[in-house]
Amino acid sequence: GGIITQTPKFLIGQEGQKLTLKCQQNFNHDTMYWYRQDSGKGLRLIYYSITENDLQKGDLSEGYDASREKKSSFSLTVTSAQKNEMAVFLCASSPDWGGSYEQYFGPGTRLTVL
Amino acid sequence: GDSVTQTEGPVTLSEGTSLTVNCSYETKQYPTLFWYVQYPGEGPQLLFKVPKANEKGSNRGFEATYNKEATSFHLQKASVQESDSAVYYCALSNSNNRIFFGDGTQLVVKP
Repeated sequence: GGIITQTPKFLIGQEGQKLTLKCQQNFNHDTMYWYRQDSGKGLRLIYYSITENDLQKGDLSEGYDASREKKSSFSLTVTSAQKNEMAVFLCASSPDWGGSYEQYFGPGTRLTVL
Repeated sequence: GDSVTQTEGPVTLSEGTSLTVNCSYETKQYPTLFWYVQYPGEGPQLLFKVPKANEKGSNRGFEATYNKEATSFHLQKASVQESDSAVYYCALSNSNNRIFFGDGTQLVVKP
C-alpha cells in the first residue's frame, strides 16, 4: 500500500498573497493531479503531471502554477489568493496516465482567504 | 463536451432502507465509468469501476450497471447503514484519458 500526504491541512491566507500547497506520494506512481473541490460542486482539474518533469494544464489552471519537483512530489501555487475564496484542494496519483486507472487521493488542504 | 450529472443531494435515508443515486453521462466516446466515495475529512476513494458496457460493478453491497443505451450508471444498495454516510461521486474517463466527475451526492443515513 501507499499514502498521499498533503501539507498543510489548513491554510489561511490574505488577499493577493502567494500560497503554496505540497503533496507527497509513496506509491511510486508516475502521474499526479491537483483538483479543486468547492462545496456542492464536483472535482475540477487544475494541473496534472504525467511523468516527472511533465506539467499539463487542466480546466481550471488560471491563477495557479504547479511544479513536479521529483517523482514523489507535486506542488501547487495559488499565485494571488482571492478574497473570500474557500475551497479544498485535493492531490491524487495514479500508476500511469490513462483514464481507466484508479486515482488515489490525499485528504486535502482546506484554503481560506481573508 | 463530456459530462456527468447525478442526483442532487443531500439524500437522507433511515438505516435499512434502499438507496438509488442516479448518474447520467454524456460522451461521444467509449468511457470507463466509476463510483468514488468520500468520507468526512478524507479524499475520495474508488468504490468500483466498470470499463465495459452492460457489465456490473459492485463493492461493499453497492452496485451499478453500465447502461450504454440509456447512458446511465445508477448506484444502488439494498440496505444502507449509518456508516455509508458520505459523498458519492460518479465519474467517467474517455479515450483521451481525461476523467470527469459529477457534482457529488451527499448521503445521510439516520439510525
